[in-house]
Amino acid sequence: ILNVEQSPQSLHVQEGDSTNFTCSFPSSNFYALHWYRWETAKSPEALFVMTLNGDEKKKGRISATLNTKEGYSYLYIKGSQPEDSATYLCAFKSSGDKLTFGTGTRLAVRP
Amino acid sequence: GAVVSQHPSRVICKSGTSVKIECRSLDFQATTMFWYRQFPKQSLMLMATSNEGSKATYEQGVEKDKFLINHASLTLSTLTVTSAHPEDSSFYICSAAKGKIDEQFFGPGTRLTVL
Repeated sequence: ILNVEQSPQSLHVQEGDSTNFTCSFPSSNFYALHWYRWETAKSPEALFVMTLNGDEKKKGRISATLNTKEGYSYLYIKGSQPEDSATYLCAFKSSGDKLTFGTGTRLAVRP
Repeated sequence: GAVVSQHPSRVICKSGTSVKIECRSLDFQATTMFWYRQFPKQSLMLMATSNEGSKATYEQGVEKDKFLINHASLTLSTLTVTSAHPEDSSFYICSAAKGKIDEQFFGPGTRLTVL
């Protein structure tokens, strides 16, 4: 059983604050690491698919880094806005295998 | 875009009844669809993978006779929870792969409550 852990479980920040959270995954048999953003009552939305060690991807104010050798990825949000409030999920994929999800980080941004 | 719909969004049923959940890819053809289940405070757990026109592949511990999956077309997969019991109450969510199987697009999920 693959272990994918996300921390913190939940986070409350003030509008304008920058924040980051972590996804830890097995460092062996790495194929890809996915990040999703999941707003209540909506579909999870794909943010990034990361495949190479050292990868850094950016989408607006959100960016992510990847370290496959030590088995972690960071998601950063710069200047958080209330509309960033959501659960952020990471999912690990080893070669030829299914996606294994973490339990998510619930972010609440106060106006 | 890549939009996946799921119906119903919420269902309450009596113990012993069967419930069907539909997952549709609205603007693309999905050769592979996935069904996940999420219990409170837990992660999404893959139940089964279904390919159009063939039998679904179930994950260990998931009863195929309990959770019937039909993927009859490239845009529709259904999950039927047969003879539902309270322990089947959960959040069920589907996803569809567009082209590369690595990229999955999710529906909004179905909350099932069995009384």
